[in-house]
Amino acid sequence: GENVEQHPSTLSVQEGDSAVIKCTYSDSASNYFPWYKQELGKRPQLIIDIRSNVGEKKDQRIAVTLNKTAKHFSLHITETQPEDSAVYFCAAHRFGNEKLTFGTGTRLTIIP
Amino acid sequence: EPEVTQTPSHQVTQMGQEVILRCVPISNHLYFYWYRQILGQKVEFLVSFYNNEISEKSEIFDDQFSVERPDGSNFTLKIRSTKLEDSAMYFCASSEGTGGPNTDTQYFGPGTRLTVL
Repeated sequence: GENVEQHPSTLSVQEGDSAVIKCTYSDSASNYFPWYKQELGKRPQLIIDIRSNVGEKKDQRIAVTLNKTAKHFSLHITETQPEDSAVYFCAAHRFGNEKLTFGTGTRLTIIP
Repeated sequence: EPEVTQTPSHQVTQMGQEVILRCVPISNHLYFYWYRQILGQKVEFLVSFYNNEISEKSEIFDDQFSVERPDGSNFTLKIRSTKLEDSAMYFCASSEGTGGPNTDTQYFGPGTRLTVL
């Protein structure tokens, strides 16, 4: 089955700097890659997603890139703010409305 | 904006007892899911449900677990005889499944924290 690896497990970034979180996946048939933000005790909240027919997608300070050949995708957050502090999970699935396979999460801390 | 809702927010039970976790998916969504998250760990898939039947389940979803859509709005997860290791946050999710541009985007509920003593 699909396996999603995520790095780093923790990341501390000075406010205003950029943060990058990377994920790799094992199943070359995967074609949908969402990123979720989870604050303590809260639900995973979708922040951005990308499909395999696109190499990059941007939404304000957040961007995601996908390299299908290398089977990895990355989340980029620019001009970080304290409210960006949370755990971020990447995920993948192959097609349709299949289960999501999640990465192990990255705890992002923005230092004021 | 419509959201997935779950009740209760916290459930405490004794080992061996049955629990039912309830979810109300987003109203026009056709696919429903249960995931669990043990404290400090990643989110793990349990089961997906479509057209009144299970479409996929994980190894975690053994005979102690069952799901049901008892009416047009609720989606439930039942654990027949809880174990200590069932203690986790259980998330319900739903997706449209209608073939549109966001057909497979999964939206999560706020979760039910299950504590088995």
